Amino acid sequence: QQQVKQSPQSLIVQKGGISIINCAYENTAFDYFPWYQQFPGKGPALLIAIRPDVSEKKEGRFTISFNKSAKQFSLHIMDSQPGDSATYFCAASLLTGANNLFFGTGTRLTVIP
Amino acid sequence: DAGVIQSPRHEVTEMGQEVTLRCKPISGHNSLFWYRQTMMRGLELLIYFNNNVPIDDSGMPEDRFSAKMPNASFSTLKIQPSEPRDSAVYFCASRPTGEDTEAFFGQGTRLTVV
Repeated sequence: QQQVKQSPQSLIVQKGGISIINCAYENTAFDYFPWYQQFPGKGPALLIAIRPDVSEKKEGRFTISFNKSAKQFSLHIMDSQPGDSATYFCAASLLTGANNLFFGTGTRLTVIP
Repeated sequence: DAGVIQSPRHEVTEMGQEVTLRCKPISGHNSLFWYRQTMMRGLELLIYFNNNVPIDDSGMPEDRFSAKMPNASFSTLKIQPSEPRDSAVYFCASRPTGEDTEAFFGQGTRLTVV
């Protein structure tokens, strides 16, 4: 069973536009929700993360919106740039105990100049 | 710290051969994960160690796959015998427990079984 569902599978955005990627999770015990960014030939790297006690977290052009009641969270990339072109993964885990990360299937973002 | 180190970066092998992938986690990280990445299935967790003990190996596809962590600084993922459908990029990641919860990934091993 897929613990974290992610959409869309791919996304094409014009430079300067807003990129939005959505995720939904199953386990209400999850208490840590990171987004990872992966460039070709590289391993995923942490981009931004949120805990369920807040509804939004912003770091520069990247914002996570979190809806605990709907068990959904999303990544918004404002003023998207060609350098943002990468694959983005949402994930969820517990902070204590079994802290393995459950990943979504990924979104390939292409920002057109 | 040099980060999570995986070797080899690329491996091409013939079907039926044994393949061993290696990982050196970041010093002090208690948790180690092996993931497999394919276009069709994304990032799949294969096995997860905590303090060198396997905690969850439910993602290991079949008995041909095995993983060990003999000490805190080294882990291996072995496939024996390998099959073409095992072709994928295999990632190792490590993560500390506690408040600093970022998981750090290695560069991955691209495995091709012909």
